[in-house]
Parts: sequence; C-alpha cells; structure tokens
Amino acid sequence: GEQVEQLPSILRVQEGSSASINCSYEDSASNYFPWYKQEPGENPKLIIDIRSNMERKQIQELIVLLDKKAKRFSLHITDTQPGDSAMYFCAASRSGGSNYKLTFGKGTLLTVTP
Amino acid sequence: ETAVFQTPNYHVTQVGNEVSFNCKQTLGHDTMYWYKQDSKKLLKIMFSYNNKQLIVNETVPRRFSPQSSDKAHLNLRIKSVEPEDSAVYLCASSPGLGGYEQYFGPGTRLTVL
Repeated sequence: GEQVEQLPSILRVQEGSSASINCSYEDSASNYFPWYKQEPGENPKLIIDIRSNMERKQIQELIVLLDKKAKRFSLHITDTQPGDSAMYFCAASRSGGSNYKLTFGKGTLLTVTP
Repeated sequence: ETAVFQTPNYHVTQVGNEVSFNCKQTLGHDTMYWYKQDSKKLLKIMFSYNNKQLIVNETVPRRFSPQSSDKAHLNLRIKSVEPEDSAVYLCASSPGLGGYEQYFGPGTRLTVL
C-alpha cells in the first residue's frame, strides 16, 4: 500500500517567517494530496489540497507544491502567526476504486514563537 | 459547526471488556471512516464504508468491527479490548470515495486499564 513520509516531525519558527513541510509518497497512482491541521484537543481539519493535474496551489498564506516526477509535495506557510501553531498532516490517495485509502504522514508539530 | 457527531467523548474500561462507539454524520455524505490516532498522533485508517461496501485495513485486529445501519451512521465495536487499544478514535465522512475532503468528528478517547 501507499506510504507517506513527512518531515520534519518538529518545526519551530519565529512569527512572520515562513514554515515548510515536506512529504513524499510511493504510489505513482496517487492523485490527491490534502493537508490537514489539527489544533490541540481538536479534530483534524482540511486546510488545502492539490490534485495531480496541478503543480501549485495557493490559498492566502498557504502554498502547496506538487512534483509528480519526484513524488514529493510540500506545504509552505508564509508570514506565520501564533495561530498557525498546530499539528500538520499531509496525506495521499488515489481517487476511486475499491482499495481507496487516504494514507497520512506522521505529522509535523509546528510552533510559531512571538 | 459540528456535522460529524461521536459518542461517548471518553471511555475508560478494563482489559477484556467490550466497548462500542457511535458516529453519526448529518452532511448527507455517502462514505464514512474510522481512524485510530495514538499517543504519538499517528493517524491510521481502520475502516471505510461506502455504499454498503466495507473496506478494511488489513492491519486492523479482528476484535474490531464496524456496524452500520444506514449511510449516516457508522459505529465501532471492540470485542475484547487490549491495552494497545488506548487511543483516540476518530470518525470521518466524505461525499464519496477518493479525492474528497474528509470531515472529522471530535473523537472518542479510549483508555484501557
């Protein structure tokens, strides 16, 4: 099955700087790559996703890049704020099929310091 | 705004007991899931249920079984709990299989003594 590696596991940045999280996957058939944010004591929530027909997607301060050849994708948070502090999970899946499964990375704990 | 509801919030039990967790979604979605999130925050899919088809993660022990009465409900039963079952169990739903946002419930925290 699909394996998703996520690095770093812990990331500490200063407010106003950028934060980058990198993920890699194994299944070349994977075509959907969401990112979830989980705040302490809360459930994971989707913040941005990208499909294999795109290389870049931006929603406000969130940028996702996808390199299908290298089987890598990344999340970049520009101008980080203390409210960005949370666990971030990348994930990968293929659309449809009976063996659909969303595989999550191990998570990155982001801390934004004032 | 909560649209995926889970009960109970917490459950403490002893090894060997049977437990059941409930999940209901009001989003009209066709697909529901159960995930296990351990103390290191690892998120692992346990089951997917879509159009009466159950997809099981092959690593899930057989003491776990999902139960669905309709597409808005997916419960989880654990026949004889083990200490390693202590975790947060997250229910989620999505409009369909593959390529859709998944909406997570608040989770049920299970502690096995």
